[in-house]
Amino acid sequence: AQSVTQLDSQVPVFEEAPVELRCNYSSSVSVYLFWYVQYPNQGLQLLLKYLSGSTLVKGINGFEAEFNKSQTSFHLRKPSVHISDTAEYFCAVSVTGFQKLVFGTGTRLLVSP
Amino acid sequence: NAGVTQTPKFRVLKTGQSMTLLCAQDMNHEYMYWYRQDPGMGLRLIHYSVGEGTTAKGEVPDGYNVSRLKKQNFLLGLESAAPSQTSVYFCASLSDSNTGELFFGEGSRLTVL
Repeated sequence: AQSVTQLDSQVPVFEEAPVELRCNYSSSVSVYLFWYVQYPNQGLQLLLKYLSGSTLVKGINGFEAEFNKSQTSFHLRKPSVHISDTAEYFCAVSVTGFQKLVFGTGTRLLVSP
Repeated sequence: NAGVTQTPKFRVLKTGQSMTLLCAQDMNHEYMYWYRQDPGMGLRLIHYSVGEGTTAKGEVPDGYNVSRLKKQNFLLGLESAAPSQTSVYFCASLSDSNTGELFFGEGSRLTVL
């Protein structure tokens, strides 16, 4: 069965600094990979996804992620964060089409002035 | 466009009481899901449905029942609530197109005393 590991439970960063949120997955077959964002007291919304093709995926709000098959990683990056990026970020993986996603435990991004 | 709507948003129960959470989506989506979110554990799938009249168990189905009598509604029931079921519950839906994007409700916070 597939699984997702987000090693960092919390990442503090200053405004306008770059950030990387790490995600590693385990699967013996091809995967689809996703990043979702959850703002306080809201549901999750899709940030970006990798289905196939280019390994560098661009999403909303200036985020991007790179699929690295050899390292089984899908790290999320942003070159310059804003206060409004403070949220919890979840990495997710699916191998059986899109019907069942497995989520990581989440990384809380805390952006301070 | 309402998207995915969950009711109620907050509920406090005593151990042993029963209740039903309602999820309604107006996007004509085939697939619907119930997740629970607990600190440090991310989102875990409780039950899901791949179409009207169908249900299936997810990762953590014990203590919950579901029904999908109408395509737009997915009900989550707790027959005899336990303190371990204190959590935030999220409903999500997925279209049958090849996008992989889950649409989430805003969550229902349940406390069992």
